[in-house]
Amino acid sequence: QVQLVESGGGLVKPGGSLRLSCAASGFTFGDYYMSWIRQAPGKGLEWISYISGNSEIIYHADSVKGRFTISRDNTAKSLYLQMNNLRVEDTAVYYCVRGGYRYGDQWGQGSLVTVSS
Amino acid sequence: EIVMTQSPATLSVSPGERATLSCRASQSISKDVAWYQQKPGQAPRLLIHSTSTRATGIPVRFSGSGSGTEFTLTISSLQSEDSAVYYCQQSNNWPPWTFGQGTKVEIK
Repeated sequence: QVQLVESGGGLVKPGGSLRLSCAASGFTFGDYYMSWIRQAPGKGLEWISYISGNSEIIYHADSVKGRFTISRDNTAKSLYLQMNNLRVEDTAVYYCVRGGYRYGDQWGQGSLVTVSS
Repeated sequence: EIVMTQSPATLSVSPGERATLSCRASQSISKDVAWYQQKPGQAPRLLIHSTSTRATGIPVRFSGSGSGTEFTLTISSLQSEDSAVYYCQQSNNWPPWTFGQGTKVEIK
């Protein structure tokens, strides 16, 4: 079955960096767009980044552009999100999601990122 | 950016009754709407895509309809396990995907 397992979250100070990883299994990873979607505590969903199967198409939401970078390694079946210059408002659960074109059909369990001094 | 507005914010329905959730887009988005269910402490789960196509394994009591700017998710006979927050999402004007703010369904 399809599995997406995020890791790399934690507590970081404002201005710091973190790298999230997502290990995929149960499907042909390179055939799919992948996305990161986040959810601040008690809030709704915000799509922030997607990447095509061959990494040729990448997009970031304005809220993270210039600070976050999405990437993937199809050989390792892994998705990444490098997060730099983190702000308090980046505090959220970050979900790895299969899909990026029309909808997300498989979601990981999420990784909590807390930005606080 | 297209704004998705869901109503009501909270819906309280008795078991076995019908629940009707609404989602309005700020401009026409054809039929490019998906619906997700999120239970406390869990990741969202895809219920419906392309307005009315149920995702794999989703019970038939969940159905979607609409077009243009007005969309509806209907739960035909509410079960206790349907207590959750439901989000709509558009993919017509993409990127970015945008989500509604959610409707919380409570069991009366």
